[in-house]
Amino acid sequence: SQKIEQNSEALNIQEGKTATLTCNYTNYSPAYLQWYRQDPGRGPVFLLLIRENEKEKRKERLKVTFDTTLKQSLFHITASQPADSATYLCAPRGSGGSYIPTFGRGTSLIVHP
Amino acid sequence: SQTIHQWPATLVQPVGSPLSLECTVEGTSNPNLYWYRQAAGRGLQLLFYSVGIGQISSEVPQNLSASRPQDRQFILSSKKLLLSDSGFYLCAWSRTSGSLTGELFFGEGSRLTVL
Repeated sequence: SQKIEQNSEALNIQEGKTATLTCNYTNYSPAYLQWYRQDPGRGPVFLLLIRENEKEKRKERLKVTFDTTLKQSLFHITASQPADSATYLCAPRGSGGSYIPTFGRGTSLIVHP
Repeated sequence: SQTIHQWPATLVQPVGSPLSLECTVEGTSNPNLYWYRQAAGRGLQLLFYSVGIGQISSEVPQNLSASRPQDRQFILSSKKLLLSDSGFYLCAWSRTSGSLTGELFFGEGSRLTVL
């Protein structure tokens, strides 16, 4: 069965450093991979999408990579701020009109001032 | 602009009681609709999704059911709640076409505690 793995332990970093979160998947060949942010007690919010033919995608301080050989996506936040503290979820998806979203458990990021 | 409303935000129910969570979307037509559950320390579990009125697909067999009586209304129900039904329930929608990202738009969630 399809499996999505994200670091279960919280990632603690100092303000200003780069945070790197990992998403690994098995038994799956997604055409796209989405990343979401979830704050406590709130619904997830979409951040970025990267396609299988894209190595890297950037949006402001965010950068996502997608390695279909390793079956892995890395999510980077540069110059991290305490306001970046949240849980980050990855969601691989297939191509075509029928999209059944599957989410990883998410990794909690805590940025210390 | 599109908005999604989900209610109630919080509820505490006894075991064996019924449940009804409601979700409505405004500002779009024929959206795909989803119900997810997030148990404490767990990931998002897809419960139901719908691609049109009266069309419901169930991902996990359980004592919950879903209905879509109108294009932009999605209801999650149970006749008799179990302790294991406790969790954070999230409704979401996505565009059926014309979206470059296929992103999901989530509601604010409903926190259910079954005692």
